[in-house]
Amino acid sequence: AQTVTQSQPEMSVQEAETVTLSCTYDTSESDYYLFWYKQPPSRQMILVIRQEAYKQQNATENRFSVNFQKAAKSFSLKISDSQLGDAAMYFCAYRRALYNTDKLIFGTGTRLQVFP
Amino acid sequence: EAGVAQSPRYKIIEKRQSVAFWCNPISGHATLYWYQQILGQGPKLLIQFQNNGVVDDSQLPKDRFSAERLKGVDSTLKIQPAKLEDSAVYLCASSLIRGRRKNGYTFGSGTRLTVV
Repeated sequence: AQTVTQSQPEMSVQEAETVTLSCTYDTSESDYYLFWYKQPPSRQMILVIRQEAYKQQNATENRFSVNFQKAAKSFSLKISDSQLGDAAMYFCAYRRALYNTDKLIFGTGTRLQVFP
Repeated sequence: EAGVAQSPRYKIIEKRQSVAFWCNPISGHATLYWYQQILGQGPKLLIQFQNNGVVDDSQLPKDRFSAERLKGVDSTLKIQPAKLEDSAVYLCASSLIRGRRKNGYTFGSGTRLTVV
């Protein structure tokens, strides 16, 4: 069975600084997707960034980038130039690539605090 | 496009009572998911529908939970009778069957259930 592990329950960063959130996963599949979702107090899950396992190049979205290490099954999120609005719960998630509608498997989350 | 609508936003009930949650997915999204998010954990899939058929309900406690998706659009999730451990946020999400959209999933804002 696939599992996703986030070992940092809480992280904090100063505004304008950089922070990295860690995620490891376990799967026997060779083709899959990895995601980072942000969950603010409004509770809605918002997609931050997505990585396709067959792509070696790390995904980037503006201030957000990932370090995808397939062999190590590691998928960390780097937030550069942190802003107060980045404060939220962040969840790492995995999905098989077999079907576009396959379920997401989530980690336990990391609470990110941003200090001015 | 309009998002995934869920109601109610909050619900407090006593144990052994029944409760129902409602979800209206994005128009045209054939796949609908119900996730349970217990405090301090990541969301866990309860049930997945494709149109009005069940694809995966392996994690649904069928002795007390039921769900239906009439006409392949709206869905309701019911708990009867509720237990204290059912206190959680219930998230609904929908996605397209086909396509390579960057964000295949869209989540609603969830219903926070408290069982006392």
